[in-house]
Amino acid sequence: DGGITQSPKYLFRKEGQNVTLSCEQNLNHDAMYWYRQDPGQGLRLIYYSQIVNDFQKGDIAEGYSVSREKKESFPLTVTSAQKNPTAFYLCASGKADTQYFGPGTRLTVL
Amino acid sequence: AQSVTQPDIHITVSEGASLELRCNYSYGATPYLFWYVQSPGQGLQLLLKYFSGDTLVQGIKGFEAEFKRSQSSFNLRKPSVHWSDAAEYFCAVASSGTYKYIFGTGTRLKVLA
Repeated sequence: DGGITQSPKYLFRKEGQNVTLSCEQNLNHDAMYWYRQDPGQGLRLIYYSQIVNDFQKGDIAEGYSVSREKKESFPLTVTSAQKNPTAFYLCASGKADTQYFGPGTRLTVL
Repeated sequence: AQSVTQPDIHITVSEGASLELRCNYSYGATPYLFWYVQSPGQGLQLLLKYFSGDTLVQGIKGFEAEFKRSQSSFNLRKPSVHWSDAAEYFCAVASSGTYKYIFGTGTRLKVLA
């Protein structure tokens, strides 16, 4: 089946730790995205990548890092510099100006 | 500044009633417009999109939306709501080739039996 997978579904982190969220797609899409979702705020763009080995900061990139070494994969690292990382994280991939979303990862900082 | 406004945070309708969710945008160029639906704890599913052409677009699950340039609106409609339509709905706008969407803050739909 073609689609976007995110893992894990739930992630718990202690303060001061870095964590990496996985996003994989087998849709052969060039573009991939990471969003953060908080209640009442809609979706905010963290990073996006239009092509392998290239990515750009979105609106709220501080405290996050990404890599795009393969077309299929776009992992997001939430670093200890992110002051309020508890949120729902959504990955998307896109083609022809349309984005398709994965099931999300809920990150909770303990 | 580019923006998307969904004026209704919560909407409650009875099952079988008609539904209209509002979306207004502020965008310099001719926008690409989208509606997505999100069930609790899940990702977003694309309902429909408008790029050009016929201003009334049909989507999945019996939804439709109408693009009105003069009103800068792209309202989502469904003639008869089912209990399974209870979810949060997001409007988004983009321009061709920018790879960046702007999302509204969402409208949460509750359906009464």
